[in-house]
Amino acid sequence: AAGVIQSPRHLIKEKRETATLKCYPIPRHDTVYWYQQGPGQDPQFLISFYEKMQSDKGSIPDRFSAQQFSDYHSELNMSSLELGDSALYFCASSWAGGEIETQYFGPGTRLLVL
Amino acid sequence: AQSVTQLGSHVSVSEGALVLLRCNYSSSVPPYLFWYVQYPNQGLQLLLKYTTGATLVKGINGFEAEFKKSETSFHLTKPSAHMSDAAEYFCAANTGGFKTIFGAGTRLFVKA
Repeated sequence: AAGVIQSPRHLIKEKRETATLKCYPIPRHDTVYWYQQGPGQDPQFLISFYEKMQSDKGSIPDRFSAQQFSDYHSELNMSSLELGDSALYFCASSWAGGEIETQYFGPGTRLLVL
Repeated sequence: AQSVTQLGSHVSVSEGALVLLRCNYSSSVPPYLFWYVQYPNQGLQLLLKYTTGATLVKGINGFEAEFKKSETSFHLTKPSAHMSDAAEYFCAANTGGFKTIFGAGTRLFVKA
């Protein structure tokens, strides 16, 4: 079965640079979530989108923004990167017409800020 | 406020022994409950979930969990540990909607 796709899988940036992470949800899933997982930490919810509208917001820094497009894929834009932004970024998707609470995760993008 | 507590950041068992990973939740309404497993450098994989109905739920890889409302618990068990079970396990809760809250995770070590 198709899973959540994230790209790139690994990304190295320098401080103050920008990064864009992409997420392609499972086909027919209309809701996308972004999480940040620091080393040895649990995933922290950043933001979610349902039908291209922001549905919930967590601990997302103002330097980050995200959107969901008409094909339901989502992009997380990160600007003025800081060393502390180094983490694993997960995207998850779910289907509001089914069990929206069940989220399926992608493999993650590992971001390293130097 | 909703919260998820996993007792024990590290659990070590011998191969073939019982696996018990503890999870308690705090919620004003009965939540949906999940267990995810994360292998090194990989994403979170859904092991099992409780939404409604039968309180004992079975998941993949021989794992199961029981929802006990009176104890606000959702402990994960497996009768016999295998070396391949070594991973990080996350308990999570959702009270219906877009936000899922994760526990801090429990790293399972399996000794030969």
